[in-house]
Amino acid sequence: KAGVTQTPRYLIKTRGQQVTLSCSPISGHRSVSWYQQTPGQGLQFLFEYFSETQRNKGNFPGRFSGRQFSNSRSEMNVSTLELGDSALYLCASSLKSTGLVSYEQYFGPGTRLTVT
Amino acid sequence: AQSVSQHNHHVILSEAASLELGCNYSYGGTVNLFWYVQYPGQHLQLLLKYFSGDPLVKGIKGFEAEFIKSKFSFNLRKPSVQWSDTAEYFCAVIGGATNKLIFGTGTLLAVQP
Repeated sequence: KAGVTQTPRYLIKTRGQQVTLSCSPISGHRSVSWYQQTPGQGLQFLFEYFSETQRNKGNFPGRFSGRQFSNSRSEMNVSTLELGDSALYLCASSLKSTGLVSYEQYFGPGTRLTVT
Repeated sequence: AQSVSQHNHHVILSEAASLELGCNYSYGGTVNLFWYVQYPGQHLQLLLKYFSGDPLVKGIKGFEAEFIKSKFSFNLRKPSVQWSDTAEYFCAVIGGATNKLIFGTGTLLAVQP
């Protein structure tokens, strides 16, 4: 079974621009979560989507947004990029997310975003 | 708020030495606990997980972890490390019925041949 795939793998943007990152979950997985990894802040949760609905959101400004499509693929968007947005953005998928049970998450290779 | 503490930021061991990495979490309710590993140049991989049942869980590559509820701890152990275990190790917790992983700051393990 193919793992989580993320595109693009590397991206260089300029301050003020916007960027869209894409994530394709493992086949059959309906939950997609996004995380930001930086040397200073470590791994931080951005948001989670299940059945095209945002279920949880981390403590990030509104410039960070996401969506999920009917085939479970997900995109995240960052508008008005700042230097501090430079990070590795990780996508993780899990079998499902319900109100009662959590499942292990499988991570993709990430998109390395550099903002200059 | 939930939090995870990993007390060892950088550990250097010789091959065949025993390993124990500490992990403590802060959350009063039911938790799911995880250890992830990130080998150089590779993506995060799940080492092991605890959801319920036997508090001693075994994972891949000879790793195990013990959940001690009274101490809010989930320490990772391996009796004999190999050079190939050189990686960064992350402890993570999910508190309650969400998929929001809260990660510790990670421990860089370097195993010298």
